[in-house]
Amino acid sequence: AQKITQTQPGMFVQEKEAVTLDCTYDTSDPSYGLFWYKQPSSGEMIFLIYQGSYDQQNATEGRYSLNFQKARKSANLVISASQLGDSAMYFCAMRDQYNQGGKLIFGQGTELSVKP
Amino acid sequence: GAVVSQHPSWVICKSGTSVKIECRSLDFQATTMFWYRQFPKQSLMLMATSNEGSKATYEQGVEKDKFLINHASLTLSTLTVTSAHPEDSSFYICSATKVRETQYFGPGTRLLVL
Repeated sequence: AQKITQTQPGMFVQEKEAVTLDCTYDTSDPSYGLFWYKQPSSGEMIFLIYQGSYDQQNATEGRYSLNFQKARKSANLVISASQLGDSAMYFCAMRDQYNQGGKLIFGQGTELSVKP
Repeated sequence: GAVVSQHPSWVICKSGTSVKIECRSLDFQATTMFWYRQFPKQSLMLMATSNEGSKATYEQGVEKDKFLINHASLTLSTLTVTSAHPEDSSFYICSATKVRETQYFGPGTRLLVL
């Protein structure tokens, strides 16, 4: 069965510093997609970044990058130059590319707090 | 990114009444919509998968007769919580996607059943 694990319930980072949010996954499927979403206190889920299992390079989107280590089954999110507005819950998610209707399986989430 | 709306954003109702929540994809046609439930400080729990024109697929443990899902068009899905009770109070959030593409989420609906 597919599983996503985020082992950091909460993280603190100083403004302007970089922070890494951990995510490990487990799947027997050769093709899958990995996602990171941000959920501020308002509740909306904001898509940040996507990594396909066959992508050769790590995904990047502005200040967000995904450190994809396939052999270790990890997909850590790196946020560079943290801003106060980055304070939120962050969820890692995985999708089986071809089965299960494309549904996502979410990790437990990490609450990030950015200190001024 | 794509825009998904939800209505209402907040709803308070009396125990025993039914509540309908709408989820719309505003600038794209969604082949699939998903409905999630989230309790405070917890992750999202998938309730059901909804494809346009067909019956929703419910996750194990989700009561089909209590959480009615209708996906009438490629841009609209509705979730009706029937005979709501206080334990149904939660944050309900939908997402919409094209085939095997990124899921885009609505802003969510906070339901409080008194």
